Order: sequence, then C-alpha cells, then structure tokens
Amino acid sequence: QVQLQESGPGLVKSSGTLSLTCTVSGASVRSGSDCWSWVRRPPGQGLEWMGFVYYTGTTKYNPSLKSRVTMSVDTSNNQFFLNLKSVTAADTAVYYCAREKYQNSRWFDTWGQGTLVTVSS
Amino acid sequence: NFILTQPHSVSESPGKTVTISCTRNTGSIASNYVQWYQQRPGTSPTSVIYEDSLRASGVPDRFSGSYDISSNSAYLTISGLKPEDEGDYFCQSYDSDTRVFGGGTKLTVL
Repeated sequence: QVQLQESGPGLVKSSGTLSLTCTVSGASVRSGSDCWSWVRRPPGQGLEWMGFVYYTGTTKYNPSLKSRVTMSVDTSNNQFFLNLKSVTAADTAVYYCAREKYQNSRWFDTWGQGTLVTVSS
Repeated sequence: NFILTQPHSVSESPGKTVTISCTRNTGSIASNYVQWYQQRPGTSPTSVIYEDSLRASGVPDRFSGSYDISSNSAYLTISGLKPEDEGDYFCQSYDSDTRVFGGGTKLTVL
C-alpha cells in the first residue's frame, strides 16, 4: 500500500521560506512511470497544482509560482521536497504531496493527508 | 494554458442522479484525458475517475465519467446518491507544461 506523508513547519513568517518534506512508503521515487507532485488548497478555495519532480531531478512548475518554487528528490531516503520562498498570507494553505501517474494520462492516484501551513506577519 | 470551469455547487436528494460539468475554455476537451477527484471535509482528495471514464480502484459503479465535444465539457455522473457522496469534486486535465484543476463543485445530498 502506497503512502505519502508530509512534514514540516506549520507556521512560516511572511517573506520567509516554506519548506516541506514528503516521505514515500510502499513505492519507490525511482519509478520511471511516476512523478512526485505538490498540490495546495488555500482556505475557501480550490486545488492548485504547484509542480512535480521526477526521480532524475527534472522538474516542472506552475508558471504562477515558477520564480519562487523549488522541488527536489532524495532517492536514497525515498523523499521529495518543496521550497517556496518569499511567502505571503496568500500562501496559507493545506499542502498535499501526491503521486502523479505518468502513463496514458497524467493523474494523481495517491495523496498525502495534507499539512496546514499558515503564513504569519 | 487553459481553464476548467465547474459549477460552484449542486444539490440533489438521496437516491437521485446528479451530473457535474467541467468545461474547457480553449483547446478541445478531447485532446487530453480528464480526471475527477472527491474531497470530503477534513480529508485529502481521492481519485474517482481517470482517463475520462475509468473508475479508480474501489470506486463504485454509481460513478461514471464522460465528455462531449460539442459542449467542450467533461461530466461526472453520480447515480443512486448517498449521504456519503457529499463533498467537493474537482476535475483535472493537463498539457505538456502544466496540470489544471477546475475550481471545484460542492455537492450537497439533501
């Protein structure tokens, strides 16, 4: 059974950097048919795709976040990471890590439980 | 990039059928597969439909997906509504550079 678990600070100061880790169990981040993604949901809003990282380190980001976001992967520890710099209150959200299946379609078949990150002034 | 538009909310009675639309503003709805996710309050999203019409593992056959080129829309239909079907439903598609979610539809089972 594949499980993803987010971890990281629940409170980040405005203008600081948000850093989260996703630990994968039951699957390998080295899988050639999977991408490792971050999706967030601000309070009262919908889901926003932030980007993904492939096991080779290749990344693709949402253009609206591209200048502030960095994603990376640690194949040795089966983890992947999100860094979002220069955060503001608009970055307050529940952050989910998810596995994206990269086969016929591009879809998110497994999600972490999510972690609430609040940006404080 | 493109936008996927969903109705903000729908409501229906238990046992009835409801259909949620997802309309693509540019490019054909048929050009890339559409997926659907359910998110109940306080939980993470779960996949319901992938590749337009395939049910994710464990999803009952009360859930079905389709699309219509003439309306440039995808549809999620839920028949025999149950109270546990309440929640937010999101469509999702993609292109070579991005992944796009619809704004979400809140389903209320009265």
